[in-house]
Amino acid sequence: DSGVTQTPKHLITATGQRVTLRCSPRSGDLSVYWYQQSLDQGLQFLIHYYNGEERAKGNILERFSAQQFPDLHSELNLSSLELGDSALYFCASSVWVGYTDTQYFGPGTRLTVL
Amino acid sequence: AQRVTQPEKLLSVFKGAPVELKCNYSYSGSPELFWYVQYSRQRLQLLLRHISRESIKGFTADLNKGETSFHLKKPFAQEEDSAMYYCALRTQGGSEKLVFGKGTKLTVNP
Repeated sequence: DSGVTQTPKHLITATGQRVTLRCSPRSGDLSVYWYQQSLDQGLQFLIHYYNGEERAKGNILERFSAQQFPDLHSELNLSSLELGDSALYFCASSVWVGYTDTQYFGPGTRLTVL
Repeated sequence: AQRVTQPEKLLSVFKGAPVELKCNYSYSGSPELFWYVQYSRQRLQLLLRHISRESIKGFTADLNKGETSFHLKKPFAQEEDSAMYYCALRTQGGSEKLVFGKGTKLTVNP
């Protein structure tokens, strides 16, 4: 078990709604990454936070936002949901050793937008 | 642009046969490559990374910069190796993220 936890496991909601996905990193990890996994796009990087600060952004929609709190847990907020937002959302945490890090993934949150 | 290509969506072998999962990458910088595995209903797990030059569960992968490849190999496949395998490239220089291939579903038949 990598120690990264995500809640909820499953989320079913309607178009136009807003949801919040939560991620708790492994103890001691300062970095949190968010990824979206869909059938057509595969695993896509969304955003990276390091010790509370946004570090890098990928192809994240303006309707999506994230933050990392002082206790290092992170939340991904998805608003004005569309059918195409249905996907598995993973977070990963990592600790840097020297110039590199290794990412450890959570179990994911499956979002279904009806 | 960074890209990871796994040409085979599905790969089926018999138990005891050698297996090779292909991965090619495109990246202008110095690449750092990983293999992740996802067993049925489990999370993505790191299998190995090229800088460690290790063998995990009998799998090895060698980075070939000339061919821009990082193929995953195992000489004798086991049924418990059946899973989804993802090759990933870690970018550097302020935008550290993993760029994943689309994955290869490996089935090892008895």
